[in-house]
Amino acid sequence: GESVGLHLPTLSVQEGDNSIINCAYSNSASDYFIWYKQESGKGPQFIIDIRSNMDKRQGQRVTVLLNKTVKHLSLQIAATQPGDSAVYFCAEKGDDYKLSFGAGTTVTVRA
Amino acid sequence: NAGVTQTPKFQVLKTGQSMTLQCAQDMNHEYMSWYRQDPGMGLRLIHYSVGAGITDQGEVPNGYNVSRSTTEDFPLRLLSAAPSQTSVYFCASSSSLTPTYNEQFFGPGTRLTVL
Repeated sequence: GESVGLHLPTLSVQEGDNSIINCAYSNSASDYFIWYKQESGKGPQFIIDIRSNMDKRQGQRVTVLLNKTVKHLSLQIAATQPGDSAVYFCAEKGDDYKLSFGAGTTVTVRA
Repeated sequence: NAGVTQTPKFQVLKTGQSMTLQCAQDMNHEYMSWYRQDPGMGLRLIHYSVGAGITDQGEVPNGYNVSRSTTEDFPLRLLSAAPSQTSVYFCASSSSLTPTYNEQFFGPGTRLTVL
């Protein structure tokens, strides 16, 4: 069964505000947790990953937080822009090559 | 580089027909994989390959075959199409230069409808 899931299927954000996208996971043995972005009509695109022994990792305008105590992962997007409108997937990976994806959160940015 | 390319973009099949979805990458990536994406769901892994001549099953392999005769190409074959295989299919590749293989590069997808 699916071990990675998202709290909310949709998120509406005002342009310029910060976005927080949440994800719950159940497989404590996963080595990595990864965020992907999928724009309409396109394939997913890698955003950022975090190793299971880390709590926080920052990228360009994005921060991923990992709380292993409650098995929770979040993606924070600073100063959300219209180009951030997309479906965001969290995924987990064990000690093999396979990714297991959650169902996705659709983010809509309001002008 | 063209990245990951997939053909066709759209395909309609009748139940029982067979066909091959093509996937090619020009990045010399060792790892390639096929996913299907159904409405409201994430991507589910069908088959994957860690190099030419090596393939393995993913989460939902039934009804699909793959082969990897070259590094560049990774075709997906539907043996006898069923309506349950109506989906969007994505091919992806990644490189050992990113040792975790977490950054997978996806193609634009093939939208398949089985009537």
